[in-house]
Amino acid sequence: AQTIHQWPVAEIKAVGSPLSLGCTIKGKSSPNLYWYWQATGGTLQQLFYSITVGQVESVVQLNLSASRPKDDQFILSTEKLLLSHSGFYLCAWSDNNQAPLFGEGTRLSVL
Amino acid sequence: GDSVTQTEGPVTVSESESLIINCTYSATSIAYPNLFWYVRYPGEGLQLLLKVITAGQKGSSRGFEATYNKETTSFHLQKASVQESDSAVYYCALGHDTNAYKVIFGKGTHLHVLP
Repeated sequence: AQTIHQWPVAEIKAVGSPLSLGCTIKGKSSPNLYWYWQATGGTLQQLFYSITVGQVESVVQLNLSASRPKDDQFILSTEKLLLSHSGFYLCAWSDNNQAPLFGEGTRLSVL
Repeated sequence: GDSVTQTEGPVTVSESESLIINCTYSATSIAYPNLFWYVRYPGEGLQLLLKVITAGQKGSSRGFEATYNKETTSFHLQKASVQESDSAVYYCALGHDTNAYKVIFGKGTHLHVLP
């Protein structure tokens, strides 16, 4: 069975500090990978997707970047956090034309 | 553009009552959208509840049902008799039929089931 793991579970960071969130999927080769973000009280928005190692497409511009250094790993990062980056970040995977399946998420508070 | 609109919460019902959470979609750039319901129980991650990829078909899971109605562009979630354990946030979502990479979510509906 496939498993998806996100880290860290939660982060409290200062404005202007860097951020790196990670996601690993096990038990599935060449998955489609996604990053989603949800502000408190807001809609779940897709940020990035990747269909293969080294290729990432941006869906929404939020001064964040994403990379896929390995087939099973997806990283979300920024060099300078903004207050507006606070929220809940979810990593997901899917097979083609299948519904994405989500990790447990990372709650980020930017102060 | 493509969008999903669902019942604004919170929705409060008593145990054993029936439930309907409305979901309507707009799919201007997608010929044959895939439709999903996700659920987040307290303290847990977002889980896929059910999906339907063909218009006119019904999906079901855990006593919940939803029918893909292309004429009314709706995908309402229904349950005949809710339980306290159904308390959660429910999200309706729209997926592309050929480009699986973009999935659009509704804002979510918070359901409280009273014992």
